[in-house]
Amino acid sequence: EVQLVESGGGLVQPGGSLRLSCAASRFTVSSNHMSWVRQAPGKGLEWISIIYSGGNAFYADSVKGRFTISRDNSNNTLYLQMNSLRVEDTAVYYCARQGPGIEDYFDYWGQGILVTVSS
Amino acid sequence: DIRMTQSPSSLSASVGDRVTISCRASQPISIYLNWYQQRPGKAPKLLIYGASTLESGVPSRFSASGSGTDFTLTISSLQPEDFATYSCQQSYSTPRTFGQGTKVEIK
Repeated sequence: EVQLVESGGGLVQPGGSLRLSCAASRFTVSSNHMSWVRQAPGKGLEWISIIYSGGNAFYADSVKGRFTISRDNSNNTLYLQMNSLRVEDTAVYYCARQGPGIEDYFDYWGQGILVTVSS
Repeated sequence: DIRMTQSPSSLSASVGDRVTISCRASQPISIYLNWYQQRPGKAPKLLIYGASTLESGVPSRFSASGSGTDFTLTISSLQPEDFATYSCQQSYSTPRTFGQGTKVEIK
């Protein structure tokens, strides 16, 4: 069974940094398009970043210039480096795999990891 | 960015009811529309992709239709495990955007 497991969340002060990890099993991260999606408390889902299998990466305007998506092929792990964190970045962060179809959907999700930005 | 608007934001229904949720895109997105179910404290789960294709393992009481800007998700006979929040998501362009969600509650 495909599995995605996030780690690295926690409490950080405004202006601080955090790196999230998403360890994948039963498939190869580098062969798939992978995204990060977040959900602020009581709010809807917000897509924030994608890394394509070819290596190109894109970001939502809300995180552009502050967050960096990357992957480690040897560890089969996806990362999200988050810098200059703001209170409004407080959310549960999910990694998600983009399914194989041309319709472009998220077919597997991690369990989510909470990031709290507060002084 | 493409804005996705769902209606209603919430609804109350009884077990056995037929439920319909609407999703409207701010510009045409062909059939690049996906639906997810999210139970409290859990990750979203893919239900429907490509506007109308049922994901493997999803019960057949779930169906969806639409193209262009207007889409619907229907649950033909609501079951206790269907009480959750449902979100649409467009995959036509980046940034991928989600609707605000529709919470289905027990009447």
